[in-house]
Formats: sequence, structure tokens, C-alpha cells
Amino acid sequence: KQEVTQIPAALSVPEGENLVLNCSFTDSAIYNLQWFRQDPGKGLTSLLLIQSSQREQTSGRLNASLDKSSGRSTLYIAASQPGDSATYLCAKGYSTLTFGKGTMLLVSP
Amino acid sequence: KAGVTQTPRYLIKTRGQQVTLSCSPISGHRSVSWYQQTPGQGLQFLFEYFSETQRNKGNFPGRFSGRQFSNSRSEMNVSTLELGDSALYLCASSSRLGTGAQGTQYFGPGTRLLVL
Repeated sequence: KQEVTQIPAALSVPEGENLVLNCSFTDSAIYNLQWFRQDPGKGLTSLLLIQSSQREQTSGRLNASLDKSSGRSTLYIAASQPGDSATYLCAKGYSTLTFGKGTMLLVSP
Repeated sequence: KAGVTQTPRYLIKTRGQQVTLSCSPISGHRSVSWYQQTPGQGLQFLFEYFSETQRNKGNFPGRFSGRQFSNSRSEMNVSTLELGDSALYLCASSSRLGTGAQGTQYFGPGTRLLVL
């Protein structure tokens, strides 16, 4: 049973666009929510962690929000750049993480 | 501060053999988790160790085992390898928050295992 769903599975945008990646869950238990990026063949790089008592976190051009009542999180990327091209994964959990399948993002120059 | 390190980075084994992978967490982190990543199943949780004790275990057969040492370094072992064990094995370290939850998990580069 897949508990974490990411939509879309792939996304291609021109450089400079603002974009939103979506993540949804099937339950509303207490959890933290973490966003990662993964470059091809590499490990995961942590982007943002939203603790269960928080609603959003920001880092540079990235903003992540968490709405536990609807079981959804969004990652907003402002002014996208070619270097943002990667797979973005969301994961929910308290002591262990359950991952979505990811959104593969391609930003064209 | 050095990141999470994993050794070896690449490994080729044949069916039936066993393998041991190693993970050194970020200094000061006492929680180490292991994940398996495959194209079909994505990232799946294997187990978590905290202060040398296994705290959580994912839905994997008993061929998968692990341990953590007093310096927080961790190893995972897979016995009687099967073709389906070919995957990227990722290790993550974190500290515990005051709530008891894990803090930000920092991942290593992974060990890519190919079983022939």
C-alpha cells in the first residue's frame, strides 16, 4: 500500500519559472515531513524538514508547507534554474521515513 | 563537519554470497537508518539503530540484518544474496529531537550492489 503519493511524476519547465511539487498522504497521524533532492546515481540531499507542529519552512528559493488536515505538502521553487534539475522526494515519518516515488524535474536553459 | 560516509561505494556479488556494508554517521549523531532504493519499489526503510539498539525494522526478510557500534558506526549484512537484492543501499544519520522524533536525516552517497 502506497502511503505517500507525489504528483506529477515528471515535470519540464523553462528556466525562471516558479513551480509547485505536490505530496499527499493517506493518514493524518503525527509525523514530520521532509523534502529531499536526488541527483542521478547519488544519495539524497535534505532540503527542508517540517516538524509535526509546524506549517511551513523556507530556505532560499524553496518553501515547503504542510497541511495535516488534508494530508498534503507542497514544495514551491521560485525562479527555477537548470541546477535545480533533479528528482525531488518527500518523506513522512516520526522515527522512520516513508517516501514517495518522487517528481523528476528538468529545468531547461 | 564531515558528512555521512558509506563503504564500499560499489559492489558486485553472485547469488548465494553474503555482503557487509558500512556506514559512518555525522559526528554526534546517534541514530542511523538504512534504506534500499530500487527502480521498481523506490526507497524502502530497512532498519534504524539508536545507541546500539535496533529501534525499528522494515518489512524485509531475516536475511537482512544490521548492528551499531558504540561509536555509532553501523553495518548491515545481507546473507544468501538474491538477484532482487541488487539496489542502492542508503544510510542516513540524524539526531533525536526533544519530542523524540528524528531530526533532519542526512544521507550518505550509498553503496550500489549488483548481484549476478
